[in-house]
This record gives sequence, C-alpha cells and structure tokens, in this order.
Amino acid sequence: TQLLEQSPQFLSIQEGENLTVYCNSSSVFSSLQWYRQEPGEGPVLLVTVVTGGEVKKLKRLTFQFGDARKDSSLHITAAQTGDTGLYLCAGASNYQLIWGAGTKLIIKP
Amino acid sequence: EAQVTQNPRYLITVTGKKLTVTCSQNMNHEYMSWYRQDPGLGLRQIYYSMNVEVTDKGDVPEGYKVSRKEKRNFPLILESPSPNQTSLYFCAVAGTSGGELFFGEGSRLTVL
Repeated sequence: TQLLEQSPQFLSIQEGENLTVYCNSSSVFSSLQWYRQEPGEGPVLLVTVVTGGEVKKLKRLTFQFGDARKDSSLHITAAQTGDTGLYLCAGASNYQLIWGAGTKLIIKP
Repeated sequence: EAQVTQNPRYLITVTGKKLTVTCSQNMNHEYMSWYRQDPGLGLRQIYYSMNVEVTDKGDVPEGYKVSRKEKRNFPLILESPSPNQTSLYFCAVAGTSGGELFFGEGSRLTVL
C-alpha cells in the first residue's frame, strides 16, 4: 500500500512568520500536486511538480520536489491571514493519486 | 466557465433511505471520481470512472454504487445509507487519470 505522510497535521502561527509543510513517502511518484482547500469548498490545485529537484514559486509559496521524487515540501514566507486553509499533497502513481491527510494551517493576525 | 456541479450540497437523511448525489461536469473530461473527506483521514477515493461505461472501485467502495451512462454525469448512489456514511463528499474531474483534479463544492451528508 502506497502512503504519503503529510506533516504537520495542524499548524497555528502568527502573521509574518515562515512555515514549511512536508509530504514524505517511500514510493516514487511521477508527479506531485499541492492543493489548497477553504471551508465549504473543494480543493483547488496550487502547483504540480514533475522533475526530481524541481522548485516552483507561487508568490510567497515555494514548492520543492525531492531529487528521488519521493517527497515534497511547501514553504510559505511571511504568512498572511489569507493563507489560512487546508493544504493537501497528492502523488501521482500508476495513473492514480495518493493523498496525504492534509495540513490545517491557521494564520493569526 | 469550467464547472463541476454537485447536488444536493447538504442532506440529512435516515438509515436505509436510498439517496443519490449527482455530479455533472461541463469540461468534456473523461476521468471522474468520487471522494469522501473525514477529519484526520483526508480524502479517500470511493469510485472512479475512466470513461463512459467504465467504472472501478477506489479505496472505500463498500456501501456505494456509481454509474457512468454519459460523459458529463457520474452519480453516487447510496442504496441503504448507514450512519458511518456521514461525511463530506466530493466529485472530481480530470482530463487524464493522475492529472490535475477539478473538484465540485462538496455535498455534506448526515445519516441519522
């Protein structure tokens, strides 16, 4: 059974601080997707990383795919209250997605 | 505008009363899927469909049925709902299996 372990499960920090969310697996993925979900809505794709070692930036969010394509991280610089939400990672393998359990992020003003 | 539409958004029902949650997409995508989301368990796939008349079980298919008679619709059927099926359900659509998923807004189901 393929697993994608996401950590931390919950994070509450002050506005302006930095944070990192991790997704780790023993399996190799062809790509890894990061989604963000707000209350009352479905998840929305933020980014897909495909190449080992790839780094993608989306304003204050930096996504990295591990060299071996088994892990990924999401780093947020100078978090804002608008970053509050549930962040989900999903690894693509054999034409299916393996989901992490999610990180609930709360940014306090 | 690309849309995945689920109905109903909210439903309270009783054990054993059959219900259907509809999902419709206007993106002409072949891949459709149903997930349930529970606190601490993340998203778990119930069923998926690679194309019309092709459906397969996901990780938690027990107690659910689906059909894919036409490309745009993928209803989720609970023949005899039980309280352990109380959950938040999402329909999701993708151009290819394993590709970017577009989610509906969710259907919150409570079974008493």
